[in-house]
Parts: sequence; C-alpha cells; structure tokens
Amino acid sequence: EVQLLESGGGLVRPGGSLTLSCAASGFTFSSYAMNWVRQAPGKGLEWVSGISRSGSTTSYRESVKGRFTISRDNSKDTVHLHMNSLRVDDTALYYCAKGPRGYAGNWFDSWGQGTLVTVSS
Amino acid sequence: EVVLTQSPGTLSLSPGERVTFSCRASQSISSSYLAWYQHKPGQAPRLLIYDTSSRATGIPDRFSGSGSGTDFTLTISRLEPEDFAVYYCQQYGGSPGTFGQGTKVEIK
Repeated sequence: EVQLLESGGGLVRPGGSLTLSCAASGFTFSSYAMNWVRQAPGKGLEWVSGISRSGSTTSYRESVKGRFTISRDNSKDTVHLHMNSLRVDDTALYYCAKGPRGYAGNWFDSWGQGTLVTVSS
Repeated sequence: EVVLTQSPGTLSLSPGERVTFSCRASQSISSSYLAWYQHKPGQAPRLLIYDTSSRATGIPDRFSGSGSGTDFTLTISRLEPEDFAVYYCQQYGGSPGTFGQGTKVEIK
C-alpha cells in the first residue's frame, strides 16, 4: 500500500523559511515523479512543484519560482520542499502527491494527509 | 494558464440519486488530459478518474467520466453515503496543471 507521510509544517513569520519532507513507502520511489500540492484555508487545490524520478527535472508554479526548491533523496525515499521568503499567501495545507510516471505533468494517484504551513506575524 | 470552472458549487442530494458534475476549461485540453478527485475533510484526496474516462484502481464502476475539448463531466450513477464529499477536476494537458474550484455534494 502506498503511504506518503508529510512533516515539517508549522508557524513561520513572513520572510522566513521552512522545509517540508515527505517520506514514501509501499512503492519503488525512484521510479516515479513526486509533487507538492497545497490548499489554502477555504480554497481549492493548487499544484506547487514537481520533480522527475531522477531529480534532474523540476517545475514550479510561477508564484513560488525563485523562493521554493523541490528535491528528492532516492536512497531515503523522501522528497523535500525548501521554502524561503515565505509570504502570508503561502499559508496552506501542503500535500505530497505521487505521479503515475517518471516525469511530472500528470495526474496524482496517491496523496498524503498533508502538513500545515502558517505564515503569520 | 488553463482555468477550470466547476458547476454547481454545491449540490444537496439524497443517497441513491444520480449526479453529474461539470468541469469547463478556458481552452481546449490536449489529449483529454483531465482527472477527477474526491476529497473528504481531514483526509487525503483520492484519485477517481484520469485521462477523462479511465477509472483509477479500486474505484467502483458507479463513477464514470466523459468529455472532450473544453467540456468534461463526472457522473455518479447512484450516490452512496460515502460519496458525500468535494469533487475536483484537474487538467494536466497544459503547464502548469490546474484544478477547478470544486463541487461539494452534501446530504439533503
């Protein structure tokens, strides 16, 4: 059974940094692209970033480019989202989501429960 | 960026009813790259349909998807108590992939 367990969320001041992690199990992690999707309070889902199975290709939504960095460690079956220069509008529940293929840009066939990031002064 | 508009925003229905969700795209979605998800409060979203009409593993056949171009639908042939949730469409034909704002199905 695929399991994705996010961690690292918390309260941070505007301009601060935070790193989210997602520990994966139940599948061959190094064969699949991974993504981060977020949901702001009372809002819908929004794709944030994706990374290919090898980590050689990454992609970001425009609003986080230059501030967020996605990375993965295939030896530890984990994917990370390093978030800098956080803004109030980055406040959201952040989900780790698995893609069905080795490259990003597809649907998401498994999701974690999410980790909450609150950016507030 | 492709904008997906879902309608209606909320549906009040009874178990056993048939329901159809609409998802309209601001531009044609290439190769019918559209998915549907079910999301319940406090739970992880669940993939229902991908590539417009392919059911994900373990999804009951009361869920079906159809459409092309800019107009897509998700149909639940007979609502079960566990189907009351929010439903999102997602397109992955354009970059970035985008979601609709969701349709909530509540118990009447």
